[in-house]
Amino acid sequence: DGGITQSPKYLFRKEGQNVTLSCEQNLNHDAMYWYRQDPGQGLRLIYYSQIVNDFQKGDIAEGYSVSREKKESFPLTVTSAQKNPTAFYLCASSIGLLAGGPGHEQYFGPGTRLTVT
Amino acid sequence: SQKIEQNSEALNIQEGKTATLTCNYTNYSPAYLQWYRQDPGRGPVFLLLIRENEKEKRKERLKVTFDTTLKQSLFHITASQPADSATYLCALGGYSTLTFGKGTMLLVSP
Repeated sequence: DGGITQSPKYLFRKEGQNVTLSCEQNLNHDAMYWYRQDPGQGLRLIYYSQIVNDFQKGDIAEGYSVSREKKESFPLTVTSAQKNPTAFYLCASSIGLLAGGPGHEQYFGPGTRLTVT
Repeated sequence: SQKIEQNSEALNIQEGKTATLTCNYTNYSPAYLQWYRQDPGRGPVFLLLIRENEKEKRKERLKVTFDTTLKQSLFHITASQPADSATYLCALGGYSTLTFGKGTMLLVSP
């Protein structure tokens, strides 16, 4: 089955700890994205990557870090510097600019619900 | 700054009727617009894409229009079913990223 997997589905952490959320895709997509969704809010872009070993900040990158060492994987680290880390985190992928130009749909994973207390 | 507006109140309709959802935007000139469906606790699922030079797109019971003069997109579901109940998100397309609205919840009652 082709798709995007995120793990774990639920994650609990103590304040002050860094935590890494996993995102893996086997769709052979170049582009990958991380979003955050809060109750009653739209998706807000954290980071995105159009190609391996390259990534750009989205609208709310402060307190987060990413890496893109493999095409299939785009892990997100929520650092202790993120003031309000409790949220629903969504990873997505798409064909990307290099393969298909702009304007392609994004495929989303099932999400990780992070709770920090 | 860019602003996307979708009805924050839930839309309640009866089964068999046509649901019409609205997406308005300001301070933006998107090259394309997308609509997604999101069920509670799950990731969004892509439904339709319409480009700036297209007026209308259809897919089965779904229809989307795009008016770049009014800065508005309308999303229609004809012959709605209870299974269509979900939150629908519009997303404006830039060169490499999407900007999402907050979504409108649709509730279809039998």
